[in-house]
Amino acid sequence: QSVLTQPPSVSGAPGQRVTISCTGSSSNIGANYHVHWYQQLPGTAPQLLIYTNNNRPSGVPDRFSGSKSGTSASLAITGLQAEDEADYYCQSYDSSLSDYVFGTGTKVTV
Amino acid sequence: QVQLVESGGGLVKPGGSLRLSCAAFGFTFSDQYMSWIRQAPGKGLEWVSYISSSGNNFFYAGPVKGRFTISRDNAKNSLYLQMNSLRVEDTAVYYCARFDSTGYYFRGAWGQGTLVTVSS
Repeated sequence: QSVLTQPPSVSGAPGQRVTISCTGSSSNIGANYHVHWYQQLPGTAPQLLIYTNNNRPSGVPDRFSGSKSGTSASLAITGLQAEDEADYYCQSYDSSLSDYVFGTGTKVTV
Repeated sequence: QVQLVESGGGLVKPGGSLRLSCAAFGFTFSDQYMSWIRQAPGKGLEWVSYISSSGNNFFYAGPVKGRFTISRDNAKNSLYLQMNSLRVEDTAVYYCARFDSTGYYFRGAWGQGTLVTVSS
């Protein structure tokens, strides 16, 4: 059972803005550990989308943005496109478990 | 271009062993921490282990501690995962990825994964 909770699914029309929440606790996000986000397109391996809360690797469109506050974090996708249909996972470090933990995952449907 | 290619997966009986490999291309392998992450069929992601660039330091997730051993051969640009005492719940696609030891995240594109199935 993951210590980072995400909504199972979110959906939006092309061009809309959607957000995905990632809720943690005082031993992970709330302990000021960074939050990172990964995108897993259908049938492919995950890849890094956002690192250290709000940074985009080169090649990631600026439609994707991350934020963090308290014990939660969020991923926002603006100008939603069909190619954004994928599973999205948040990730952080948990000091109680001494593990690098992933969120439960969110399926985005356009 | 960074490329990671996993191999070694397959079908194994509970209690059996398997050794996974990950060949690295397109970057200076010996400079990078490396990690294994797994994904059970239809499920989410789970970190398994990581190893320092020199191979002298390594860490494991609780469920695999004492059963799995991570290692690397920098001369061969290769990462390994020796899996012993395998359990049904170890069934998953295993991915290798570069690990950023400062920000605690898995960098860039991961390998395509190799499927491990533990079943009698």
